[in-house]
Amino acid sequence: EAGVAQSPRYKIIEKRQSVAFWCNPISGHATLYWYQQILGQGPKLLIQFQNNGVVDDSQLPKDRFSAERLKGVDSTLKIQPAKLEDSAVYLCASSSGQGSYNEQFFGPGTRLTVL
Amino acid sequence: AQSVTQPDIHITVSEGASLELRCNYSYGATPYLFWYVQSPGQGLQLLLKYFSGDTLVQGIKGFEAEFKRSQSSFNLRKPSVHWSDAAEYFCAVGARGGGYNKLIFGAGTRLAVHP
Repeated sequence: EAGVAQSPRYKIIEKRQSVAFWCNPISGHATLYWYQQILGQGPKLLIQFQNNGVVDDSQLPKDRFSAERLKGVDSTLKIQPAKLEDSAVYLCASSSGQGSYNEQFFGPGTRLTVL
Repeated sequence: AQSVTQPDIHITVSEGASLELRCNYSYGATPYLFWYVQSPGQGLQLLLKYFSGDTLVQGIKGFEAEFKRSQSSFNLRKPSVHWSDAAEYFCAVGARGGGYNKLIFGAGTRLAVHP
């Protein structure tokens, strides 16, 4: 079975620029997560979707970050404008259900560097 | 609020030696507990999980973990480490029920293996 796909794998931008990340979850997985992993820290949940609805976006900086999951499959995460502190790895994960007991399958991540 | 502490930021062991990575959690009840491994340039992979029952759980790649309620700990162990085990290891907790589905990750322990 194909895993979670993410692109691009690496991105370097200047501060105040915009950037978008794409995620394709495992086929049939209704729940999709975006995490931010800053160097030296564990992943932090930014947003969780159940199908195409948002379940939890309490830690998403909504003044600059946005995410959507059209048709309940692929998802995009956007940052506009980027700040230096947004430099991190952005991980996408998916699971078959939204309970925390459901195993989350992670993509390889997108490493963002903001200069 | 939930929290996870991994006291050891970096551990170095010799190949063939035993390994124990520590994890302490804070939660009002017994949470779901997970250990994930992250190899360089890759996403997180689930090693094992504890939901209930036997407090010693077996995982993939020869890893095991023991849940100790009295110590709020869920330490990861392996009797004989292989060079390929060099990676970063994350402990995570998830809430049970109540619609609160977030996973909280620790900061991780980076494992280096000497030949």
